[in-house]
Amino acid sequence: GDSVTQMEGPVTLSEEAFLTINCTYTATGYPSLFWYVQYPGEGLQLLLKATKADDKGSNKGFEATYRKETTSFHLEKGSVQVSDSAVYFCALSDHSGNTPLVFGKGTRLSVIA
Amino acid sequence: EPEVTQTPSHQVTQMGQEVILRCVPISNHLYFYWYRQILGQKVEFLVSFYNNEISEKSEIFDDQFSVERPDGSNFTLKIRSTKLEDSAMYFCASSSRGIGAQGYTFGSGTRLTVV
Repeated sequence: GDSVTQMEGPVTLSEEAFLTINCTYTATGYPSLFWYVQYPGEGLQLLLKATKADDKGSNKGFEATYRKETTSFHLEKGSVQVSDSAVYFCALSDHSGNTPLVFGKGTRLSVIA
Repeated sequence: EPEVTQTPSHQVTQMGQEVILRCVPISNHLYFYWYRQILGQKVEFLVSFYNNEISEKSEIFDDQFSVERPDGSNFTLKIRSTKLEDSAMYFCASSSRGIGAQGYTFGSGTRLTVV
């Protein structure tokens, strides 16, 4: 079945450092890809998404590009802030939108001042 | 901004007891979901619900689980006889469209601890 693998955490960075959280997937067909974020005490929030190959999703300074050739959707941010400390989840869904989300395990990011 | 509300935020129960986890979805949403995350593992789909019936469920969602929308606003997940391995964070979600991820809104979760 479909699956998502993302890098193990926790990741600890200093403020203004560059962030990469790796995500690779296994899926039949052409899934839609997502990054969700969970801030402390809050629910899962959609951060960004991409629905086809070479699409770039972006939001709040975060970016991820849908790479079909490497089956990857790595999350990047050029300069992290303390407020970015959260758990980040990579996920996929069938392109038709008719299947439930398949999540990775999540990566905890801590940004220190 | 509309939100999905889950109560309680943390529930501790003894093995074999029944628990009910409560969710208030966004008022004009029609599709409702439960997911769970066992500590250190992936967020997993449990069940989706539409038009007062289950539309899809995973193999995790066995006979000890049930869902209900008793009064048009709450959406509940009942675990009939809890086991230690049911300890997890349970997330409710709702959407105005179908089972796909477009337009999902998640709640902040209920942490269930079975002792």
